[in-house]
Amino acid sequence: DAGITQSPRHKVTETGTPVTLRCHQTENHRYMYWYRQDPGHGLRLIHYSYGVKDTDKGEVSDGYSVSRSKTEDFLLTLESATSSQTSVYFCAIRDREGMNTEAFFGQGTRLTVV
Amino acid sequence: KNEVEQSPQNLTAQEGEFITINCSYSVGISALHWLQQHPGGGIVSLFMLSSGKKKHGRLIATINIQEKHSSLHITASHPRDSAVYICAVPISSGSARQLTFGSGTQLTVLP
Repeated sequence: DAGITQSPRHKVTETGTPVTLRCHQTENHRYMYWYRQDPGHGLRLIHYSYGVKDTDKGEVSDGYSVSRSKTEDFLLTLESATSSQTSVYFCAIRDREGMNTEAFFGQGTRLTVV
Repeated sequence: KNEVEQSPQNLTAQEGEFITINCSYSVGISALHWLQQHPGGGIVSLFMLSSGKKKHGRLIATINIQEKHSSLHITASHPRDSAVYICAVPISSGSARQLTFGSGTQLTVLP
């Protein structure tokens, strides 16, 4: 299995509080991604990173920020959590940009905003 | 309209049956991915293919680039095959091509 770990695995938080999810990889892969998964929707890209300190927005980036200060860690922050951000969050990694490369996924973080 | 459509959304089969899950997409692509998500949430990559057919154990994936269609087949299905199967294709988004995912097919195989 690819060395990719998400933490925490489960979190319940209150509306309006900041939340940070962590993705840690031991594969030295350049590309890292944060997705959310909701019923009736496929995985949707929130933000991605193509190197240390290099990040870009995905299709559902509003209300989220990311940081990547070192290769192995990609942090997703909900600046002020809302109930609409209740979801399962997945991190993924890939070693090169080409779409003919396999992506490896973390186990997911189930976030509930009450 | 979703750029990646999967069918069926739900599928229940008896153990031993041959199963087919379909994926259609609307843009030209260089490769298509099939993923599996088990109860408990983990997602694993099953196949990545750009033409023809690939086989891994009882799983077979085919793709027709001209028709923009791929199928995932499971032969001699088993209850442990019960999972959500997801197809994904690279589609341009902003400055890069990113994977766009279908909404998944929930497969339940009954003993």
